[in-house]
Amino acid sequence: KAGVTQTPRYLIKTRGQQVTLSCSPISGHRSVSWYQQTPGQGLQFLFEYFSETQRNKGNFPGRFSGRQFSNSRSEMNVSTLELGDSALYLCASSAAGQGSGYTFGSGTRLTVV
Amino acid sequence: AQSVAQPEDQVNVAEGNPLTVKCTYSVSGNPYLFWYVQYPNRGLQFLLKYITGDNLVKGSYGFEAEFNKSQTSFHLKKPSALVSDSALYFCAVRTNAGKSTFGDGTTLTVKP
Repeated sequence: KAGVTQTPRYLIKTRGQQVTLSCSPISGHRSVSWYQQTPGQGLQFLFEYFSETQRNKGNFPGRFSGRQFSNSRSEMNVSTLELGDSALYLCASSAAGQGSGYTFGSGTRLTVV
Repeated sequence: AQSVAQPEDQVNVAEGNPLTVKCTYSVSGNPYLFWYVQYPNRGLQFLLKYITGDNLVKGSYGFEAEFNKSQTSFHLKKPSALVSDSALYFCAVRTNAGKSTFGDGTTLTVKP
């Protein structure tokens, strides 16, 4: 069974640019969540999608957006990049049901210069 | 609002000794509690979860966790630590709405 796949693994962007990150969940998982991880802030919840609908949203500015496709694959987009957006972005998928744990991808390491 | 607290940023133990990584939570209703481990430059890996039933939950790699409802705690334990257990550990709570909250993480260092 394939795990959660995130692409790309590493990314370097310039301030002001935009970026799109991709996540393919485990087959059959309909929930996809995104987290930002930084040394100072820990794991910060960005948003969760379930069946193509945003179900939960964290406290991030509107520059951060996401979507989910009918095959449960998800993308997140960050526009007008800032230096502070440099982080490891983690995608996690889970089966339906609150008792389901997450399976995380290896993350995308975004560096903004 | 739900919250998770991991009071120790760092836990150091000697190989072969028992280890405990602490976690307390605050949530309305019945909690679904999880522990994850993260190795350098990797995503988080699921270790174990508590949904209902027996308060002592067994998970991967010999880890277990004890749910204590009165103390709202879910401490991670292992009877005999290995150097390879050194990693970053996260406690998380998930509610009926599906939203998960993670603690800030505890770095476990096991010294030979």
